[in-house]
Amino acid sequence: KNQVEQSPQSLIILEGKNCTLQCNYTVSPFSNLRWYKQDTGRGPVSLTIMTFSENTKSNGRYTATLDADTKQSSLHITASQLSDSASYICVVSDRGSTLGRLYFGRGTQLTVWP
Amino acid sequence: EADIYQTPRYLVIGTGKKITLECSQTMGHDKMYWYQQDPGMELHLIHYSYGVNSTEKGDLSSESTVSRIRTEHFPLTLESARPSHTSQYLCASSDRGSHEQYFGPGTRLTVT
Repeated sequence: KNQVEQSPQSLIILEGKNCTLQCNYTVSPFSNLRWYKQDTGRGPVSLTIMTFSENTKSNGRYTATLDADTKQSSLHITASQLSDSASYICVVSDRGSTLGRLYFGRGTQLTVWP
Repeated sequence: EADIYQTPRYLVIGTGKKITLECSQTMGHDKMYWYQQDPGMELHLIHYSYGVNSTEKGDLSSESTVSRIRTEHFPLTLESARPSHTSQYLCASSDRGSHEQYFGPGTRLTVT
């Protein structure tokens, strides 16, 4: 069964600190992995997308890593800001469908305190 | 930010009412999707469309229906709303040949 598991479920950090969110998946055949940021009451917005051959990708203060062998990914947030408070969702798509079916994790709820 | 819109953003309605959630995109994308999301839970695909006059049911069974008469428009209808339909509904679209989905802001539906 294709699944995406994220940890931790929630995280509280102080402004300016770094943090790392984890994602494990069993989706096969793997196509790509995305990290989305979802603000409360809004739709998800893509932060990074990585294919099988990519190990790391950065988008400003966000850096995502991918280990396709162990089927693990992480999202590292540097120098956190209050606006980083959101749910971060790991999404994996498979190569097996023309639809581009996406498998969603439940997200990590990040709260940044001043 | 992607050009995909959903209305209304919030809706509180009584049991038994018929409702239509609107979704429009101005990017000319062929594929469109409806997801249902409960608090703290993952998104579940309930409907999708490859293009005009194409609609399919997703992974999660839903009593809602959809139509795709125009490329840019993908409305979702509930004939008789029930409290179990209370949830957030997210619309998304993607271009032909791309798996990148762009999401709308969502509609928060509450059925009393």
